[in-house]
Amino acid sequence: DAGVIQSPRHEVTEMGQEVTLRCKPISGHNSLFWYRQTMMRGLELLIYFNNNVPIDDSGMPEDRFSAKMPNASFSTLKIQPSEPRDSAVYFCASSLRQIDEQYFGPGTRLTVT
Amino acid sequence: AQSVTQLGSHVSVSEGALVLLRCNYSSSVPPYLFWYVQYPNQGLQLLLKYTTGATLVKGINGFEAEFKKSETSIHLTKPSAHMSDAAEYFCAVSDQDDMRFGAGTRLTVKP
Repeated sequence: DAGVIQSPRHEVTEMGQEVTLRCKPISGHNSLFWYRQTMMRGLELLIYFNNNVPIDDSGMPEDRFSAKMPNASFSTLKIQPSEPRDSAVYFCASSLRQIDEQYFGPGTRLTVT
Repeated sequence: AQSVTQLGSHVSVSEGALVLLRCNYSSSVPPYLFWYVQYPNQGLQLLLKYTTGATLVKGINGFEAEFKKSETSIHLTKPSAHMSDAAEYFCAVSDQDDMRFGAGTRLTVKP
């Protein structure tokens, strides 16, 4: 398997623009996680899905953030409108079950100017 | 609710010295426990996991961890540090209802 695939790897955008991050989990995995990592706040869980259903979105910072998982092989994290404080590395991870080890993608480095 | 505490946000060792990274957890049910490593500009990679059974768990790159239920700990060790071990290490705990990562420990290896 190719592992967890994220796109784009780097995104630079201006404040106020919409940003969409994409993730393809490992085939057969039933849980998918979105994380944000910054120097100041470390690794933060934003949201996770089991069987395409959002289970816990308490980590989503505010209404500007939304995540979807329309099918088992694709998920998006959208920020609209983006702000400079959203600049971070965003990771997607998947696991066979929520309790199992997670496989992380390479991350998307987002810079909002 | 679960929690994970990694003692020491930064640890520095000399090359060839023992590496010891500490992790304590709390969980209301027997959890699964993990150690992950993150190299610069990469995602997290699984080093090792503990589910049930033998309390000494061997991982990749010469790392191992001992699960101590009485101390609710799973400290990570490596007998002899290598320059390539410099990275950030995360402890994590999960059960059927929740999962948590620790804040991470940055390991520096001095020549």
